Amino acid sequence: GAVVSQHPSRVICKSGTSVKIECRSLDFQATTMFWYRQFPKKSLMLMATSNEGSKATYEQGVEKDKFLINHASLTLSTLTVTSAHPEDSSFYICSARVQGAELFFGSGTQLSVL
Amino acid sequence: AQKITQTQPGMFVQEKEAVTLDCTYDTSDPSYGLFWYKQPSSGEMIFLIYQGSYDQQNATEGRYSLNFQKARKSANLVISASQLGDSAMYFCAMRVPGTYKYIFGTGTRLKVLA
Repeated sequence: GAVVSQHPSRVICKSGTSVKIECRSLDFQATTMFWYRQFPKKSLMLMATSNEGSKATYEQGVEKDKFLINHASLTLSTLTVTSAHPEDSSFYICSARVQGAELFFGSGTQLSVL
Repeated sequence: AQKITQTQPGMFVQEKEAVTLDCTYDTSDPSYGLFWYKQPSSGEMIFLIYQGSYDQQNATEGRYSLNFQKARKSANLVISASQLGDSAMYFCAMRVPGTYKYIFGTGTRLKVLA
């Protein structure tokens, strides 16, 4: 199957700092990528749809200025958590749509804000 | 609005036995896609199986099969000959018709016993 690489897998940061998470499609071009957030033992909640070359589309209730998404190329989307606070601590996972129906996911990033 | 319901928070199965994980869905759109993903403790989401609403036959992928009952709006995952490595969270998901967005159920944690 298609490979989606997500980096870093784990990050610990101080409150008030910004953290960037990268999501790369390694063997295909992804015009659309998706960012999800998952709380412990909970389901995945879609945060935003990242479109190459255009602005991301955010789901209701997701702060655009807090979670900056950039999809500058067909193989890279980034999520920047700005001025992170402890309540932003979560598991973030990206995915990309391959030709066809299914999504392929990155391995996720566990963010811990102290 | 679309909705995915997984009513089993946790399941146990003996190694080599078969297990069924329940999933019901709700949508008014006649065209939709249903997916199952496996999430091991490491966090990545692994695509298992896909069923399209117009598919005539139930989907199968190796030891995974999908018991698709359209009238009941259910798409249960059947894992045959369970293995210890099958222990994980399992999520049922639906692609929102007309979009590439997915909505996920709350998941079922499966534990395979030796």
